[in-house]
Amino acid sequence: QITLKESGPTLVKPTQTLTLTCSFSGFSLSTGEVAVGWIRQAPGKSLEWLTLIYGDDDKRYRPPLMSRLTVTKDTSKNQVVLTMTNLDPADTATYFCSHYDTRDDIGFDIWGQGTRVTVSP
Amino acid sequence: QSVLTQPPSASGTPGQRVTISCSGSRANIGRGFVYWYQKLPETAPKLVIYKNDRRPSGVPDRFSGSTSGTSASLAISGLRSEDEAHYYCTTWDDNLSDWVFGGGTKVTVL
Repeated sequence: QITLKESGPTLVKPTQTLTLTCSFSGFSLSTGEVAVGWIRQAPGKSLEWLTLIYGDDDKRYRPPLMSRLTVTKDTSKNQVVLTMTNLDPADTATYFCSHYDTRDDIGFDIWGQGTRVTVSP
Repeated sequence: QSVLTQPPSASGTPGQRVTISCSGSRANIGRGFVYWYQKLPETAPKLVIYKNDRRPSGVPDRFSGSTSGTSASLAISGLRSEDEAHYYCTTWDDNLSDWVFGGGTKVTVL
């Protein structure tokens, strides 16, 4: 059974750096067929994809946010870490991590419960 | 403005069929697979359709997906109260190099 859980600060000040951790179980992030993605949802808004990291360490970033995002993985701990710099109140959102599988093109199939982040002075 | 266009709302009575549209372009829906998610407040998005028309294990066959050209649709037949939620379409956009989402459709069961 695949599970994911996000963790990190709930309140961050503008211009600071946000670090979120996705802890997962039920799969291994060690091949290029499997990845972990981050997607966020601002209050009252739609979903917005941020980044993908594959098991072979290939990474994809949403182009408008590429300069502010870094994603890394620790395969031994079954964790993926998202770092976002220079936060703005517009980054206030619930941040989800998701299992992504290229096999059979199933996409983002299992998601964590999300962690709410507020950016405010 | 979302790259994929969805109607903001749709509704039906229990037992009816509701259809949600998702309009895109040749750079996204016209090239790749469409995915649909059900989102309830304070919960994780749930995948209900992948690869245009496939249902993940555990999703009732009341949910069906289809595509035609640069548009996609999600149909919910035999509408039930627990289907009341927001639904989002998504696909990869080759021009933007981005997973793009629709603005979401709120389905209300009357």
